[in-house]
Amino acid sequence: EAQVTQNPRYLITVTGKKLTVTCSQNMNHEYMSWYRQDPGLGLRQIYYSMNVEVTDKGDVPEGYKVSRKEKRNFPLILESPSPNQTSLYFCASSLWRKGDTQYFGPGTRLTVL
Amino acid sequence: KQEVTQIPAALSVPEGENLVLNCSFTDSAIYNLQWFRQDPGKGLTSLLLIQSSQREQTSGRLNASLDKSSGRSTLYIAASQPGDSATYLCAVLGNTPLVFGKGTRLSVIA
Repeated sequence: EAQVTQNPRYLITVTGKKLTVTCSQNMNHEYMSWYRQDPGLGLRQIYYSMNVEVTDKGDVPEGYKVSRKEKRNFPLILESPSPNQTSLYFCASSLWRKGDTQYFGPGTRLTVL
Repeated sequence: KQEVTQIPAALSVPEGENLVLNCSFTDSAIYNLQWFRQDPGKGLTSLLLIQSSQREQTSGRLNASLDKSSGRSTLYIAASQPGDSATYLCAVLGNTPLVFGKGTRLSVIA
């Protein structure tokens, strides 16, 4: 089944404790991205990747890191999480950046205490 | 900077009614517009993708139109059902990262 998977689905952590949210797609997509969704602010893009070893900032990259060492994986890294990073996070992928359907993962609900 | 607005923010209709959700965007230089559905606490499911060169797309009871020059798109849902209750998001792809509207929360009452 074609899908985007994220892990973990739920995470409660404390300020400053490094964490990684994994994202994997099995559709051989070139383009992957990360979003956060907050009440009243909607979905905002954090980082995106056009291909392996190619990443770029989205609208709200501060406090996040990403890497794209393999085509199928695009982990989101929070080196020192803070409470304002409490949010619902989505990973997405598409065949190309332009003109293709975006497929979303199920989301990761992160709480930083 | 691209801005996407969805009106209304919430909508409640009786089952069986036809309805229209609206999406407007400020920069007409787009590659495509996509409509998504989001159920509470869940991910986004793509409903329809309209390329910038297209005027409309249809899938079952859903029809989406695009008027790029006026910066507008509509999502038409025919014969609504309680299972259509969800939040509907439109997203625009241009030379900036994908920009989402804040959604329309639809409730279809049986």
